Amino acid sequence: SAVISQKPSRDICQRGTSLTIQCQVDSQVTMMFWYRQQPGQSLTLIATANQGSEATYESGFVIDKFPISRPNLTFSTLTVSNMSPEDSSIYLCSVVRDYGYTFGSGTRLTVV
Amino acid sequence: AQKVTQAQTEISVVEKEDVTLDCVYETRDTTYYLFWYKQPPSGELVFLIRRNSFDEQNEISGRYSWNFQKSTSSFNFTITASQVVDSAVYFCALSEAPSNTGKLIFGQGTTLQVKP
Repeated sequence: SAVISQKPSRDICQRGTSLTIQCQVDSQVTMMFWYRQQPGQSLTLIATANQGSEATYESGFVIDKFPISRPNLTFSTLTVSNMSPEDSSIYLCSVVRDYGYTFGSGTRLTVV
Repeated sequence: AQKVTQAQTEISVVEKEDVTLDCVYETRDTTYYLFWYKQPPSGELVFLIRRNSFDEQNEISGRYSWNFQKSTSSFNFTITASQVVDSAVYFCALSEAPSNTGKLIFGQGTTLQVKP
């Protein structure tokens, strides 16, 4: 299975600022996924990022709030923009290969 | 629409008890994949098992076993002789066929507390 390096592992941010989360995969993958896990909740897909095209966002998530970059087949970033306390969550990236899903270790974001 | 339901929000058992975590899914696809993940307090997601829709064989891995029944759209997970280290949140998830988006749909999770 793929190995994912996700950074930062945690951060405390001021409201109104932005945070960019990075995910580096040890091999080329077609699709990368970004999930949000609010406190005590399940994982919700934010968007699917394919290299060379715009990300596909799920209902309730918009590009202005969660811009995503996918410059190549091993790397992606998710930015959480203009943060509010409601954005405090764990954010995880994920890739799929041969129907096996691997997740990054997550970014625990606290907005104060 | 696809959906995964884990009706048990929290389960508390005493060490060495057996415990079953329920998972019921909905999908219109004939080809799909089911998963179980463990999320310990540290937050990372630990892969436990993947099962495709054409393989209804039950699986056993050490103290873990899974029962997949298409007739009831269920994919239940049993831990035998539970241990304190099994305490975590467990998620059941469903993915679409490869020709589609490939995204994972998660259940709400079941928090398992194993007391010494």
